[in-house]
Amino acid sequence: AQSVTQLDSQVPVFEEAPVELRCNYSSSVSVYLFWYVQYPNQGLQLLLKYLSGSTLVESINGFEAEFNKSQTSFHLRKPSVHISDTAEYFCAVSDVGSNYKLTFGKGTLLTVNP
Amino acid sequence: NAGVTQTPKFRILKIGQSMTLQCTQDMNHNYMYWYRQDPGMGLKLIYYSVGAGITDKGEVPNGYNVSRSTTEDFPLRLELAAPSQTSVYFCASSGKNSGTGESPLHFGNGTRLTVT
Repeated sequence: AQSVTQLDSQVPVFEEAPVELRCNYSSSVSVYLFWYVQYPNQGLQLLLKYLSGSTLVESINGFEAEFNKSQTSFHLRKPSVHISDTAEYFCAVSDVGSNYKLTFGKGTLLTVNP
Repeated sequence: NAGVTQTPKFRILKIGQSMTLQCTQDMNHNYMYWYRQDPGMGLKLIYYSVGAGITDKGEVPNGYNVSRSTTEDFPLRLELAAPSQTSVYFCASSGKNSGTGESPLHFGNGTRLTVT
């Protein structure tokens, strides 16, 4: 069975500072990895995903995540955050070929302060 | 472009009452899902459907029922509300199995339910 661990439940940072949101997973098979973002009072939306190929994937709003197979991690980073990045971020994993069941982590609340 | 629409936005129920949470999507998606979100617990899958007439249990189905008579609609029924069902409920849809990465989940804005 797969599981997802988001190591920090809350991450407060100042505007224009760099941020890293950590995600580790466990699975006995190959995985696909996702980051979803939830802005206040909204549903989740896909931020970025890793399926195969380059281990570094990027979103359109400056976030990036790197798949590290040896460390079973998929950490999300941004070099300079904005107030508008304040949201909850969810890491998710699916087992390749095992009906692709999607499992979410517990979420990390990123709060960007002025 | 409505996407996934959930009603109501808020509801307070007394213990033992029943209600139906409505969900409709206008993207002609085959896959639909119901999740509950509790603080600090992430999202838990309640039920899902891969097409009209087909439903299956997720992680936490007890106390809930669903039906999928049309592609567009996927209502969630609570028969005997309990305090443990206090949560935020999200409906989502995807064109294909969301875990394959071919089609992301599209979420509604949620229904906040309180059972007292």
